[in-house]
Amino acid sequence: ETGVTQSPTHLIKTRGQQVTLRCSSQSGHNTVSWYQQALGQGPQFIFQYYREEENGRGNFPPRFSGLQFPNYSSELNVNALELDDSALYLCASSSAGGDRELFFGEGSRLTVL
Amino acid sequence: RKEVEQDPGPFNVPEGATVAFNCTYSNSASQSFFWYRQDCRKEPKLLMSVYSSGNEDGRFTAQLNRASQYISLLIRDSKLSDSATYLCVVGLYNQGGKLIFGQGTELSVKP
Repeated sequence: ETGVTQSPTHLIKTRGQQVTLRCSSQSGHNTVSWYQQALGQGPQFIFQYYREEENGRGNFPPRFSGLQFPNYSSELNVNALELDDSALYLCASSSAGGDRELFFGEGSRLTVL
Repeated sequence: RKEVEQDPGPFNVPEGATVAFNCTYSNSASQSFFWYRQDCRKEPKLLMSVYSSGNEDGRFTAQLNRASQYISLLIRDSKLSDSATYLCVVGLYNQGGKLIFGQGTELSVKP
């Protein structure tokens, strides 16, 4: 158990809808990163939050947005869902510092129909 | 070209075999290097960090060649429990803590 919890674990949406995924970071961790993992691929970096500010972003369109709260939990929001958004969304927490180990949650599996 | 490329899998090996995974990365500004392990339908977990001098953890040995932008992982005396996907990971901490994952190489260890 990493102490990182994500919800929901599974969800099904239709094209054009919006989704919010949630993540509670491990105690003592102030940095949260979100990754998208399509079937058969490695995780792709979406963005990272440090102390409630976005601290880096991957090649994802603006309809992918996020928040980090004062307790360091985080949300990932995706608007105007597309079929290709179907994937496992992983949240990872870490302490400050670039080379700290990432602790992943079990992920939220999103299916877009 | 992908930023991190790994050997295409899957690797199917018998118990006790030695298996090597290779990985190359394209960004010379990469600063940190890791191998993560991901079991089927589970989250990735850190296997080991990779240092320039090479490092070993039991049956696992990792090597880094910065000049060639190449990372390797050697697993000796494979166990059934080693069956998983191995992800090569590169850190770009001058880009806001971005970790770049390879596509993973699947290992299946058979009795």
